[in-house]
Amino acid sequence: ETGVTQSPTHLIKTRGQQVTLRCSSQSGHNTVSWYQQALGQGPQFIFQYYREEENGRGNFPPRFSGLQFPNYSSELNVNALELDDSALYLCASSFGQYTGELFFGEGSRLTVL
Amino acid sequence: TQLLEQSPQFLSIQEGENLTVYCNSSSVFSSLQWYRQEPGEGPVLLVTVVTGGEVKKLKRLTFQFGDARKDSSLHITAAQPGDTGLYLCAGWMDSSYKLIFGSGTRLLVRP
Repeated sequence: ETGVTQSPTHLIKTRGQQVTLRCSSQSGHNTVSWYQQALGQGPQFIFQYYREEENGRGNFPPRFSGLQFPNYSSELNVNALELDDSALYLCASSFGQYTGELFFGEGSRLTVL
Repeated sequence: TQLLEQSPQFLSIQEGENLTVYCNSSSVFSSLQWYRQEPGEGPVLLVTVVTGGEVKKLKRLTFQFGDARKDSSLHITAAQPGDTGLYLCAGWMDSSYKLIFGSGTRLLVRP
């Protein structure tokens, strides 16, 4: 167990809706990264938050947004959901912005109908 | 195009057999990591290799980082059903904030 918790674990939405996923980072970690893992694929980097600011972003449209709170927990928001957004969304916490070990949560599985 | 290519994509073997999984790239990485992911769970780090040519052993698992730091391999000796899972290689580039993952190798070890 990594100490990283995500909620909800499963959810179903319809096209056009909005979703918020939550992540509590491991104690002592100040960085949260979000990854999208489509079925049968490796995780793809969405963005990273370091000390409450977006530190870097992958190739995802602006309808993917996030927040990091003073306690270093984080949210991922996705607006105007599309069918291709169906995936496992993984949160990973770490200490520091660069390299090192990421501790992943169990993920939130989103299904868009 | 995938920056890290893993092969094979799927492997089904009998308990006791040996296997090797490959992770290749045309890019140089400052370090490479191997993760294992089981259904319904997030990836769990197995090892980090940092130096070109480095070899690390973890019980029956042997990890190697290529001399040029562009590729890596994972070798499992005498595979057991408990080794079943998705194996992911992932690389860090210099001063990068994002971990780049391969597409994964799904391993099934039959009793």
